[in-house]
Amino acid sequence: EAQVTQNPRYLITVTGKKLTVTCSQNMNHEYMSWYRQDPGLGLRQIYYSMNVEVTDKGDVPEGYKVSRKEKRNFPLILESPSPNQTSLYFCASSPEPRTDTQYFGPGTRLTVL
Amino acid sequence: RKEVEQDPGPFNVPEGATVAFNCTYSNSASQSFFWYRQDCRKEPKLLMSVYSSGNEDGRFTAQLNRASQYISLLIRDSKLSDSATYLCVVPSGGGADGLTFGKGTHLIIQP
Repeated sequence: EAQVTQNPRYLITVTGKKLTVTCSQNMNHEYMSWYRQDPGLGLRQIYYSMNVEVTDKGDVPEGYKVSRKEKRNFPLILESPSPNQTSLYFCASSPEPRTDTQYFGPGTRLTVL
Repeated sequence: RKEVEQDPGPFNVPEGATVAFNCTYSNSASQSFFWYRQDCRKEPKLLMSVYSSGNEDGRFTAQLNRASQYISLLIRDSKLSDSATYLCVVPSGGGADGLTFGKGTHLIIQP
């Protein structure tokens, strides 16, 4: 089954404790991206990647890192999480972002205390 | 002018009615447009793509008005299961990625 998976689905952590949210897709898509969704603000892009070893900042990259060492994986790293990073995070992949469907993972609900 | 604007709603509509909502965009060069559906706390899923003047899929019709720079979504014979948030997505024209999501229109179908 074609899908995007994210882990963990739910996470409660404390300020400053490094964490990684994994994202994996099995559709051989070149494009992957991370979004956060907050009430009243909609989906905002954090980082995106057009291919292996090619990543770029989205609209809200501060406090986040990403890597794209393999085509299928695109982990999101929070080196020192803060409470303002409490949010619902979605990973997405697509063959070509401007013209093709974006496939979203199920989401990761993160709470930083 | 914001890149993509949607009326947040909520639109409260009786079951069986027809409902329509718009999305306005600022980048006149955009060639493709998308409507995504998002259920509460779940991932967005593609509902329809719009590449030319419009697209129809069953009860759903999306129309594009390039002159006025908006796309619309029409839902006929609405079902309770249509209750969701509908997100408009427009390529914004900037950078290699250039996708902009609207904040969504919340639709509630009432029995």
